[in-house]
Amino acid sequence: GNSVTQMEGPVTLSEEAFLTINCTYTATGYPSLFWYVQYPGEGLQLLLKATKADDKGSNKGFEATYRKETTSFHLEKGSVQVSDSAVYFCALRHTSGTYKYIFGTGTRLKVLA
Amino acid sequence: DAGVIQSPRHEVTEMGQEVTLRCKPISGHNSLFWYRQTMMRGLELLIYFNNNVPIDDSGMPEDRFSAKMPNASFSTLKIQPSEPRDSAVYFCASRQGANEKLFFGSGTQLSVL
Repeated sequence: GNSVTQMEGPVTLSEEAFLTINCTYTATGYPSLFWYVQYPGEGLQLLLKATKADDKGSNKGFEATYRKETTSFHLEKGSVQVSDSAVYFCALRHTSGTYKYIFGTGTRLKVLA
Repeated sequence: DAGVIQSPRHEVTEMGQEVTLRCKPISGHNSLFWYRQTMMRGLELLIYFNNNVPIDDSGMPEDRFSAKMPNASFSTLKIQPSEPRDSAVYFCASRQGANEKLFFGSGTQLSVL
């Protein structure tokens, strides 16, 4: 079945460090891929998405490229800020019309000043 | 727009008591999801409504859980009787049509003692 695997956290970085959070998926066909972010005490918010192979989603300095050959959608940011501290969720939605979103377990990021 | 509104934000109750969680989706959104978030299992889909009709409740843990959507602007998730293992954060999310973006509420932190 469909699944999403994320690297375990927490990830602790200093401000302005480079960030990578790994995400791989298992799915048949061509799912849409997402990164959602959850700030403390809040619900999840869509950060970026990609709907087909080689697409790059980007937002707020974050980027992720849909790599079908490696079934990956790694999240990157060149220079993190303290305000980026949050939990990041990788997710997929199969494009066959299903409503189901499969979420990873989340990766907590802590950025220290 | 006020976003997805959930109440209460926090609920502490004793084992065996009935708990009712409430959700008001974004106006115009016709899909509503209830998710449960725990450290052990991450984010799990409990039930999905489309146009107020429950489409998939396969994620509802057991008969103690029930959900209703009497109209397009209101949904409830009820646990009766509650148990300590039900302690989690419960999120409601809504979506408009086939749009892939989910909008989450801030969640209800449930603690069953």
